[in-house]
Amino acid sequence: GQQLNQSPQSMFIQEGEDVSMNCTSSSIFNTWLWYKQDPGEGPVLLIALYKAGELTSNGRLTAQFGITRKDSFLNISASIPSDVGIYFCAGRTGGSEKLVFGKGMKLTVNP
Amino acid sequence: EPEVTQTPSHQVTQMGQEVILRCVPISNHLYFYWYRQILGQKVEFLVSFYNNEISEKSEIFDDQFSVERPDGSNFTLKIRSTKLEDSAMYFCASSWGLAGGPRTDTQYFGPGTRLTVL
Repeated sequence: GQQLNQSPQSMFIQEGEDVSMNCTSSSIFNTWLWYKQDPGEGPVLLIALYKAGELTSNGRLTAQFGITRKDSFLNISASIPSDVGIYFCAGRTGGSEKLVFGKGMKLTVNP
Repeated sequence: EPEVTQTPSHQVTQMGQEVILRCVPISNHLYFYWYRQILGQKVEFLVSFYNNEISEKSEIFDDQFSVERPDGSNFTLKIRSTKLEDSAMYFCASSWGLAGGPRTDTQYFGPGTRLTVL
């Protein structure tokens, strides 16, 4: 089945630093979504991308839908302590209802 | 802001027992989903539901699972005879769309039900 390769698996950064993470797939996706999950809670949508090449920002977050439709990245600028959590990419292929999730990137921000 | 709600937040059950997990999707959404997340792992799709029937299901969603929309607001996941490996967080999600027409792909997730099977 489809798989998303998300990297890195974890990052430890200082407050104020920028962080980048990405997801790649061998399959073409029609939609890329980025979610954040805090411990014991559900995924919270950060950014949704619908078109190849699309670049979208949400505050300090910026995400792009890769031109090949097989990858996406998420950048967080000027990190703050509340950015701590697990970040998941998720994608949907044409003709399918389901979201396929990456394994997540655990972010730790040192104040 | 509208949100997906789930009850209970934590369910403990004995192996072999039936459990029903409940969800109230966002009110104007037409598409409903269940996902699960085993501790420390990624979120996995179980089933999608539209127009009162299952539209897609994964290989995880075998005969011991069923879903139902018993009224205009609730969406339930039933596990008929729980196994130890069913222990996980179960997330309900919903998305908007026009009946028979285009829909947004954006799925909004509830806070989850932690199921512990002893």
